[in-house]
Amino acid sequence: EPEVTQTPSHQVTQMGQEVILRCVPISNHLYFYWYRQILGQKVEFLVSFYNNEISEKSEIFDDQFSVERPDGSNFTLKIRSTKLEDSAMYFCASDGSHQREGQDTQYFGPGTRLTVL
Amino acid sequence: GQSLEQPSEVTAVEGAIVQINCTYQTSGFYGLSWYQQHDGGAPTFLSYNALDGLEETGRFSSFLSRSDSYGYLLLQELQMKDSASYFCAVRDYGGATNKLIFGTGTLLAVQP
Repeated sequence: EPEVTQTPSHQVTQMGQEVILRCVPISNHLYFYWYRQILGQKVEFLVSFYNNEISEKSEIFDDQFSVERPDGSNFTLKIRSTKLEDSAMYFCASDGSHQREGQDTQYFGPGTRLTVL
Repeated sequence: GQSLEQPSEVTAVEGAIVQINCTYQTSGFYGLSWYQQHDGGAPTFLSYNALDGLEETGRFSSFLSRSDSYGYLLLQELQMKDSASYFCAVRDYGGATNKLIFGTGTLLAVQP
């Protein structure tokens, strides 16, 4: 079964450093997302991406964040200057252009655990 | 805004039945999904209800009442491996996005 992959699985960085989290969505999907989950809390939407542009972003997704789909397969999340409060699990997700009747599945990658020191 | 409320924790024993409730307030509603998340893992899709009633998938069933803005996930014949967090979620089809909005999550602990 096709799956969403993410690298790295863990990333430790110093406050103020830039990080890039990478994702390879399922190949025939058209909608891509980044979500964040702070330890012990719910999964929160960050940004959605469709047709090579951001379609929506949350309040969390400020100027320090950016997303790119540089080559038609990878989907990246960049945090320019990390803060302590950026420490979280970051999940990439994708879904197809058509929802089969009775189905509503969004496929999540395994996540990147980001620790900002 | 949109919100989905769940109990924070539920404890049950192996072989038992447990129900995890979800009440929601949304602007526009298409259906309710359930996701399972093991500690440190990715959310994985369990079920989806677009219409009122009960949907059964093996040991898991999910129920929806649109008039009550309420749904639940029912887990039968509990196994230790069912210990995980369970999230209800709705799609937000507003604008050009199909993002998921997750509930507060319920941590299920299955005891021997």
